[in-house]
Amino acid sequence: GQQVMQIPQYQHVQEGEDFTTYCNSSTTLSNIQWYKQRPGGHPVFLIQLVKSGEVKKQKRLTFQFGEAKKNSSLHITATQTTDVGTYFCAGGTSYGKLTFGQGTILTVHP
Amino acid sequence: DSGVTQTPKHLITATGQRVTLRCSPRSGDLSVYWYQQSLDQGLQFLIQYYNGEERAKGNILERFSAQQFPDLHSELNLSSLELGDSALYFCASSGTGQGPQHFGDGTRLSIL
Repeated sequence: GQQVMQIPQYQHVQEGEDFTTYCNSSTTLSNIQWYKQRPGGHPVFLIQLVKSGEVKKQKRLTFQFGEAKKNSSLHITATQTTDVGTYFCAGGTSYGKLTFGQGTILTVHP
Repeated sequence: DSGVTQTPKHLITATGQRVTLRCSPRSGDLSVYWYQQSLDQGLQFLIQYYNGEERAKGNILERFSAQQFPDLHSELNLSSLELGDSALYFCASSGTGQGPQHFGDGTRLSIL
């Protein structure tokens, strides 16, 4: 079945440093979605990428979808303590099923 | 507030028992998804329903079953519970098949 691998599993940064998490799928995806889960919370939708090579930005967050639609990345510039949480990528199929990566747990030290 | 309501928030029971988790999707959303989140397994997709019909199945155990009712709420039934079933169970809903999923706060199930 479809597998989505995400690295790194953990990332510790000093406030102000950049952060990147990478996602790779074993199969071509219809779309990729990114979610953030704060400690003790539920996953919250951040963004969806659909087109090959697509790049989207949300303030300090930059999301990319690979040309082959099998990989993606999330980059955060100048991390803040509010960025703490687990970031999940999720590979989507045409009918809506999402396969989540294992997530990257981001810790930001002030 | 995501608009997705899950009850109960916490459930403590014993091995061998059966429990029912309930989910009310966001108003207007036809798709409901169930996920299991445990410390070592991340978010595992269990099952998806769309407008009352099963649409996709993940790694759902035979001891688990789900359904979506005509009013679109959904229930996840877990039976013959084992210690390893202790986890956070999330329900999510979406409007179209491919759009963003909106998660409820989850039900934390503890098996003693």
